[in-house]
Amino acid sequence: NAGVTQTPKFQVLKTGQSMTLQCAQDMNHNSMYWYRQDPGMGLRLIYYSASEGTTDKGEVPNGYNVSRLNKREFSLRLESAAPSQTSVYFCASSVLGTGNNQPQHFGDGTRLSIL
Amino acid sequence: TQLLEQSPQFLSIQEGENLTVYCNSSSVFSSLQWYRQEPGEGPVLLVTVVTGGEVKKLKRLTFQFGDARKDSSLHITAAQPGDTGLYLCAGSNTGNQFYFGTGTSLTVIP
Repeated sequence: NAGVTQTPKFQVLKTGQSMTLQCAQDMNHNSMYWYRQDPGMGLRLIYYSASEGTTDKGEVPNGYNVSRLNKREFSLRLESAAPSQTSVYFCASSVLGTGNNQPQHFGDGTRLSIL
Repeated sequence: TQLLEQSPQFLSIQEGENLTVYCNSSSVFSSLQWYRQEPGEGPVLLVTVVTGGEVKKLKRLTFQFGDARKDSSLHITAAQPGDTGLYLCAGSNTGNQFYFGTGTSLTVIP
């Protein structure tokens, strides 16, 4: 009963390094999302994938890229990490897009620090 | 742009007290969801409201969607330590994005 699995759980990077955050869901959901959570800011959408084969920018996409590898997996890449990208990153999935009032199921997050 | 503002940002109360958390926006949403998040975990959905004026109850929690679908409130009766957590509202429009509120951190002291 895994739901949404994110790896790694913790990561420390140096400025300029690159890395990919992995996300996989086993609920056969069509839509997947990447958010960042910063103190006092709630969750802000970085990118989303309404269905396999499509990706779209969210509210704060600069500095990130995504890949919807298949229906299960949605990865987030930081090409050149910056201290401003220090945050907690959450992946989520839902049966259909948000316009259908479906709940989003979240992973437990990746805590990323950029030095 | 923060479309949803929550108040208060922090709330610390004694066990047994009542409280209300507010979620306000100048935008109209087709639906609004409330989530609770515990430390080290992702948010978990509590409720979805879709009709203006709608009221939903979940045990001691009462959720209301404003008539104009721009705001919502969460009322907790007789708070328990297990209610401690970060409460987030999230509004959806006809697109594919959810806009999350700034969050209310609730601590219930035994």
